[in-house]
Amino acid sequence: IAGITQAPTSQILAAGRRMTLRCTQDMRHNAMYWYRQDLGLGLRLIHYSNTAGTTGKGEVPDGYSVSRANTDDFPLTLASAVPSQTSVYFCASKGREDTGELFFGEGSRLTVL
Amino acid sequence: GQNIDQPTEMTATEGAIVQINCTYQTSGFNGLFWYQQHAGEAPTFLSYNVLDGLEEKGRFSSFLSRSKGYSYLLLKELQMKDSASYLCAVMDSNYQLIWGAGTKLIIKP
Repeated sequence: IAGITQAPTSQILAAGRRMTLRCTQDMRHNAMYWYRQDLGLGLRLIHYSNTAGTTGKGEVPDGYSVSRANTDDFPLTLASAVPSQTSVYFCASKGREDTGELFFGEGSRLTVL
Repeated sequence: GQNIDQPTEMTATEGAIVQINCTYQTSGFNGLFWYQQHAGEAPTFLSYNVLDGLEEKGRFSSFLSRSKGYSYLLLKELQMKDSASYLCAVMDSNYQLIWGAGTKLIIKP
């Protein structure tokens, strides 16, 4: 089934630990995004990549890093998790720069204790 | 700064009509988007407006007034499955989406 796959779907993590959220898409979309979603707040962009080999910072990049070695994969890494990073994380992609139609993964619920 | 405003929560009755409003102030405008998000699930694309006027798609319609920085999503013949959050988003001059916090729509029988 074509689309975006995220892993893990849920994770409980001790503060200070390193964690990588995986995101893979098979639609050959150029642009990919990582958002976090917290209650009462809109989706907030963490990092993005307009094409393989390039990445950019979004609205809330601190404490997170990404890489885009190829078109399909866009992992998000928390180098040293803190409780404020408890959130639901969504990976998304889009096929054309001028479209706002994003395709989302199912989300990764992360709890940092 | 950039800002998207929409009501936090709305309640409506099954079979009725509901209008969810969205106002925006952004640096540039390349379209306004509505997404639906059921609890515990990912957002899914509903509609897109870039020119003023009404876009109809089945039971759902979306309206845009660029001069007023205003949009609404109109849902007709409400069904229980329409209970969800509805997210308004604007694409700015850098083709990035700016998101509202979402409107939680509760449908009562």
